Amino acid sequence: DQQVKQNSPSLSVQEGRISILNCDYTNSMFDYFLWYKKYPAEGPTFLISISSIKDKNEDGRFTVFLNKSAKHLSLHIVPSQPGDSAVYFCAASAAGAGSYQLTFGKGTKLSVIP
Amino acid sequence: DSGVTQTPKHLITATGQRVTLRCSPRSGDLSVYWYQQSLDQGLQFLIQYYNGEERAKGNILERFSAQQFPDLHSELNLSSLELGDSALYFCASSPGTAFYGYTFGSGTRLTVV
Repeated sequence: DQQVKQNSPSLSVQEGRISILNCDYTNSMFDYFLWYKKYPAEGPTFLISISSIKDKNEDGRFTVFLNKSAKHLSLHIVPSQPGDSAVYFCAASAAGAGSYQLTFGKGTKLSVIP
Repeated sequence: DSGVTQTPKHLITATGQRVTLRCSPRSGDLSVYWYQQSLDQGLQFLIQYYNGEERAKGNILERFSAQQFPDLHSELNLSSLELGDSALYFCASSPGTAFYGYTFGSGTRLTVV
């Protein structure tokens, strides 16, 4: 039972254009959502997060949108750069459980083409 | 350098053997989390320790165990290894008092042959 789903294993985008990565979740107890970026041979790096009390959070070129009714979140990268090429993981937490363990999706590999 | 140190980086061992993976959390972080990433899988939560005590358990096999020591470093012990245990094992740490995401180490790649 996959509680966090990233249905696109890969995405290719031209440099300078927008990259949109999608994530769906099924557990209504999730109240905190994060995106991590992972380069080969490195650990995941925290990118941006959003609390369930918000519907948008922005940090530079990265914006995360949350649609609670649809149990859907997306990460927008504008403009996309070659250095953004990596695997992006969506993750969710039910912080009220007191543990902060994260449930991760399987990841989307983003390729930004120069 | 994320500040979370995992050793060794690579480990090759035979089926049936036992290995120990080590993690030193970022300075000041009290919580340590262990995750397993198998081929084509997302990261699967194994176990969390907070200030030396087990806080939460995920999909951790009975053959696996972990502990966090007084200096806050943690060890993940994997025994009676099977081919299917081959994976990347990540350790992450967080302050534990609030949640803004983890800091991950670079992982230990375990290959069971």
